[in-house]
Amino acid sequence: NAGVMQNPRHLVRRRGQEARLRCSPMKGHSHVYWYRQLPEEGLKFMVYLQKENIIDESGMPKERFSAEFPKEGPSILRIQQVVRGDSAAYFCASSLALVGVRTEAFFGQGTRLTVV
Amino acid sequence: AQSVTQLDSQVPVFEEAPVELRCNYSSSVSVYLFWYVQYPNQGLQLLLKYLSGSTLVESINGFEAEFNKSQTSFHLRKPSVHISDTAEYFCAVSKAAGNKLTFGGGTRVLVKP
Repeated sequence: NAGVMQNPRHLVRRRGQEARLRCSPMKGHSHVYWYRQLPEEGLKFMVYLQKENIIDESGMPKERFSAEFPKEGPSILRIQQVVRGDSAAYFCASSLALVGVRTEAFFGQGTRLTVV
Repeated sequence: AQSVTQLDSQVPVFEEAPVELRCNYSSSVSVYLFWYVQYPNQGLQLLLKYLSGSTLVESINGFEAEFNKSQTSFHLRKPSVHISDTAEYFCAVSKAAGNKLTFGGGTRVLVKP
């Protein structure tokens, strides 16, 4: 059973380009979370999705960022018109249900985005 | 809203010495508490968690953490570290059956021979 798969592992974009980050959750997991880790900081929650629905996007910047988790295929975090401040590691996590007694969030290895 | 403070950003320690990583949190509701470990260029792995019951929780590789409600702390300890414990450690909280984790800033542990 493969873990949470993120690709690409490393992504370089020029300012103004678009970045697409993909996350395939663990088999059977329908809950997906995206976190951002800025240099020298901890992880910050961005968005929580279930299949085809955004449940909580309280941590998403209001502009340029969007996320989806379609019925088929991986979850996508999309950043339009990237700026240098978007350079960070983006982690995806998945869980069977809400994090709780019988469930935990499993993290992918992250996508390291560098904006030049 | 919850917040998590990890007081030490870096902790150098000699091999076979004990280590304690401090974590304090604030929350107005009941929380679950977690410690994650991140090895270089890797994702986060769950080390241990407190959900309810015994306030002392242990991991399979010798780490333990104690939930102290009155001090709102969840410090992580290991009595004797190995070189392989060199990593960054993150304390996190979530609301009971919540949908997101709130992380502390992390503590880098560097184990020296």
